[in-house]
Amino acid sequence: DAGVIQSPRHEVTEMGQEVTLRCKPISGHDYLFWYRQTMMRGLELLIYFNNNVPIDDSGMPEDRFSAKMPNASFSTLKIQPSEPRDSAVYFCASSPDRGIDQPQHFGDGTRLSIL
Amino acid sequence: GEDVEQSLFLSVREGDSSVINCTYTDSSSTYLYWYKQEPGAGLQLLTYIFSNMDMKQDQRLTVLLNKKDKHLSLRIADTQTGDSAIYFCAEGTWDAGNNRKLIWGLGTSLAVNP
Repeated sequence: DAGVIQSPRHEVTEMGQEVTLRCKPISGHDYLFWYRQTMMRGLELLIYFNNNVPIDDSGMPEDRFSAKMPNASFSTLKIQPSEPRDSAVYFCASSPDRGIDQPQHFGDGTRLSIL
Repeated sequence: GEDVEQSLFLSVREGDSSVINCTYTDSSSTYLYWYKQEPGAGLQLLTYIFSNMDMKQDQRLTVLLNKKDKHLSLRIADTQTGDSAIYFCAEGTWDAGNNRKLIWGLGTSLAVNP
């Protein structure tokens, strides 16, 4: 089975530009999570969806960040305009349901550098 | 508030046992996870334990849970250089809307020296 697929793997862009990160969750998984990982703050949950509906976006840093899940097989995380402090590794994860023995499956991440 | 704490670094010699510790604060947690992150990759689930268990063993991995002290540990026997990675402790719990959520530690970087 294919795992969680993220694209691009690396993104380098200048500040002020729009950045779009993409995620394809594992087929059949009901939950999709977006995380940000930095050395200073560790792993932070930004937002998560259940059946394509955003449930908790309290981790989204500010209005420059937005996330969508138009269907069960695709999600985007957009930063507009981007700033150097947004540089981090962004992970997408999915999990099948609310079962307590269901772990989150992570993609390999997008390493974002804002110059 | 909810919090999960881990030491940031651990260094061991190849062949020795590694013990990575974690403490958490939410007494309503139902399950606790250990994830492994290798360089340049995402997190992978290593093992998990239900809160009504004291111990779980899986090959070289032993998880111990002290629910009274809210302390979780991961022991890796016969540590190999391939075990070098960051290990994350995560606590499973429920938010106000009865949705699952994980509270993550900052991760322990394990260095295995030959």
